[in-house]
This record gives sequence, structure tokens and C-alpha cells, in this order.
Amino acid sequence: GAGVSQTPSNKVTEKGKYVELRCDPISGHTALYWYRQSLGQGPEFLIYFQGTGAADDSGLPNDRFFAVRPEGSVSTLKIQRTERGDSAVYLCASGPRGNTGELFFGEGSRLTVL
Amino acid sequence: GENVEQHPSTLSVQEGDSAVIKCTYSDSASNYFPWYKQELGKGPQLIIDIRSNVGEKKDQRIAVTLNKTAKHFSLHITETQPEDSAVYFCAARGNTGTASKLTFGTGTRLQVTL
Repeated sequence: GAGVSQTPSNKVTEKGKYVELRCDPISGHTALYWYRQSLGQGPEFLIYFQGTGAADDSGLPNDRFFAVRPEGSVSTLKIQRTERGDSAVYLCASGPRGNTGELFFGEGSRLTVL
Repeated sequence: GENVEQHPSTLSVQEGDSAVIKCTYSDSASNYFPWYKQELGKGPQLIIDIRSNVGEKKDQRIAVTLNKTAKHFSLHITETQPEDSAVYFCAARGNTGTASKLTFGTGTRLQVTL
């Protein structure tokens, strides 16, 4: 596609439910990042993939959060037992080179946990 | 890890005036400093970036300066226009291993008034 695509654009769920957020990066980009952005804040790093493997998952807040990228393209961020504090916009970005290239962001998935 | 501070948090200028946003970073190993513009409901979009081997970079009405000794960098927008109104984020990134992620500032909301 022309840009990074994220689905769903909006997700409302109840506390305790399981959520999956999908990111389809720009074709050919090997680097993929997930960020979380709370209202009025800058994006906060969650996890970075280079190809299929998670090169850095130091930003995942706890073991309820997990992400996969099984074929090196589409990635899914999975959140178990959601809490109200998980409410935020989850941004995905991809780049042509892991360490030195520009990152291209999607429009984000807004998650609201009631 | 890297820590990026950004000032001011809000900035209001009249159309045609200049706007300056400043950031400081903590990790002397950081070598890539992008600036992103985020409009309401959209993902961040790169507007300009600078690498550590350059002190200044200009692109039409936008310029960025970098002082590696002091560990600070600034965004300068001249001849501001209403469409420049948005939230601007600075970021910093290293080039190896777990330092490959972008660390963002907290953002500056720029309002250009007529």
C-alpha cells in the first residue's frame, strides 16, 4: 500500500477483554515499531521488529502486552486482560532500514477501555 | 536510556512571524534527530531531520540546528502560516542495538493566528 495501514482505527472494549491491533507496513520495509500515545503526550516506545524477530521489546509495560510479526510484514499487537489505563492511541511505524532510516507512521488505533 | 525534553509546551504566534521549539537530549551517543508534525487524528509525519555530523539543515521555511556539545537541537519555522498549526515533536535516536528506537519529546502545540 501507499502508507502504513492500521486497523481498527477505533476500538472500544470492556475491562478484562482481549484486544488485537493490526499493522500493515509499507511494502519492503524491514523495520517495524509500535508506540503508544496518551492524550497530550509524545509517542512512547513499545517494541521494535527487524524482520520477523523482536529486536527490542523493552518498552512493553508488562506481560499482558505481546506483539508478533510472523512473516516479516504484518504485525499484531495483542493486549490481554485490558485495563482502563491501557486506553491510548497505538501507533505503528515502519522504515526501510532499522537504525538509520526515516520512520513512517500510520494513523493509529485508538483504544478505549471502559 | 535516552531522555528528551521539549519546550515550550504551547506556542502562539501571529501569521508571518517565526516560531522556535527547543529540545535537549541526554544520551551523547544519539546521532539522529527528526522532527515530526502531528495534526489532529493523524499519525506523526516527518518534516525535517538532522544527523550528528551536521550543525544545521534547512528546507524552505523550516530549519533545524544541532549543538552536540550542549546536547540540544531546535526547530525554526519562518513566515508561519495557519496550516503550520499542529503539534510538533522532536525525537532522538542512537544507532546500535537497543538504542535504535526513537525517543520523543512531549510535544509543542503551535497555534498560528491570523
